[in-house]
Amino acid sequence: SQQGEEDPQALSIQEGENATMNCSYKTSINNLQWYRQNSGRGLVHLILIRSNEREKHSGRLRVTLDTSKKSSSLLITASRAADTASYFCATDAAGANSKLTFGKGITLSVRP
Amino acid sequence: NAGVMQNPRHLVRRRGQEARLRCSPMKGHSHVYWYRQLPEEGLKFMVYLQKENIIDESGMPKERFSAEFPKEGPSILRIQQVVRGDSAAYFCASSRAPYTEAFFGQGTRLTVV
Repeated sequence: SQQGEEDPQALSIQEGENATMNCSYKTSINNLQWYRQNSGRGLVHLILIRSNEREKHSGRLRVTLDTSKKSSSLLITASRAADTASYFCATDAAGANSKLTFGKGITLSVRP
Repeated sequence: NAGVMQNPRHLVRRRGQEARLRCSPMKGHSHVYWYRQLPEEGLKFMVYLQKENIIDESGMPKERFSAEFPKEGPSILRIQQVVRGDSAAYFCASSRAPYTEAFFGQGTRLTVV
């Protein structure tokens, strides 16, 4: 079953703007992770937020987690053309093994 | 500290042949996960291994697919008698412990002709 569902499916913004991507999930989780994937490449780990955390920052990235709504958002501030990639959220279900369930991803295009 | 290493990066096999995909986890990581990605799709979990043990293989097809993570050496994902539908990118991830950051390799792109 699809656990993480990202939206929008595609996002196109101008360099310098902020990009907000959302992820919803169905079951209780231990943690939620965001990844970036450039076309044809592997996944780059961006950030992990635990179920007892509400917000986390890493450089230009800000992740929030609302367990009551079963949703998370990834904010990239002051976007750059190099941020162009697909972004995935992945969750591991509470009470299960630590396997990750991925959504289909969001394609972000940052226009120079 | 080298990242997760997968090889080969690209693998072409004819229908009916065997494919062996290798994954060396990051140093200090004893948990390995295999995922499959089809074009324009997210990653689908296949199997979770910890040294010499299969913890969860709920995402593995029952036939033709097997995985191992021996005491010494890389983890191996083996696909016997490949079919065209096996064509995909196969990614390996490793973590130091359960429920911690999982880091991915560059993947092996399998093409079955």
